[in-house]
Amino acid sequence: DARVTQTPRHKVTEMGQEVTMRCQPILGHNTVFWYRQTMMQGLELLAYFRNRAPLDDSGMPKDRFSAEMPDATLATLKIQPSEPRDSAVYFCASGLHVYSPLHFGNGTRLTVT
Amino acid sequence: DAKTTQPNSMESNEEEPVHLPCNHSTISGTDYIHWYRQLPSQGPEYVIHGLTSNVNNRMASLAIAEDRKSSTLILHRATLRDAAVYYCILRGNNNDMRFGAGTRLTVKP
Repeated sequence: DARVTQTPRHKVTEMGQEVTMRCQPILGHNTVFWYRQTMMQGLELLAYFRNRAPLDDSGMPKDRFSAEMPDATLATLKIQPSEPRDSAVYFCASGLHVYSPLHFGNGTRLTVT
Repeated sequence: DAKTTQPNSMESNEEEPVHLPCNHSTISGTDYIHWYRQLPSQGPEYVIHGLTSNVNNRMASLAIAEDRKSSTLILHRATLRDAAVYYCILRGNNNDMRFGAGTRLTVKP
């Protein structure tokens, strides 16, 4: 089965450091979503792309977060500088087209100390 | 954005049917109703979706009210592996997908 691949699976870093999370969407999928999950806030939509173009990134703290798709096979989410409140599980998901089901990766568990 | 309302938690006995309700009274005509579930320590998993008609697949059935203001996800025979958080989501023209708190389903042996 085709899968969404996220790397790294776990990341522990110190406050102030840059963090880059990567996502390889399923080949041929043209929509990519980034979510963050914490116990307190649940699953929050951070940003999503269609055909590599950002459609909405209103869920991201603009001063420190950035999301890009350098090419169709790679999506990145960067945090610079990282803060302890960024500790969460970050999920990437991809879909074939608008309205089609999303396939989620296994997430990146980020801990900022 | 149209919102959904689900019970916080539900319990079921193994091998019995489960009906998970969702209210979405402000749904618009172009909103699709999607259901996902999240098993412990995993990412969300697609279950089923529909627009107006009831839908069936190998995982579940989706019953949509005639006025579309509510829907019910039906698991025909719950197993212990179905214990998860189930999310009901409306997906509209803007393509975004925002998760609510969902319903935590506990399945008792």
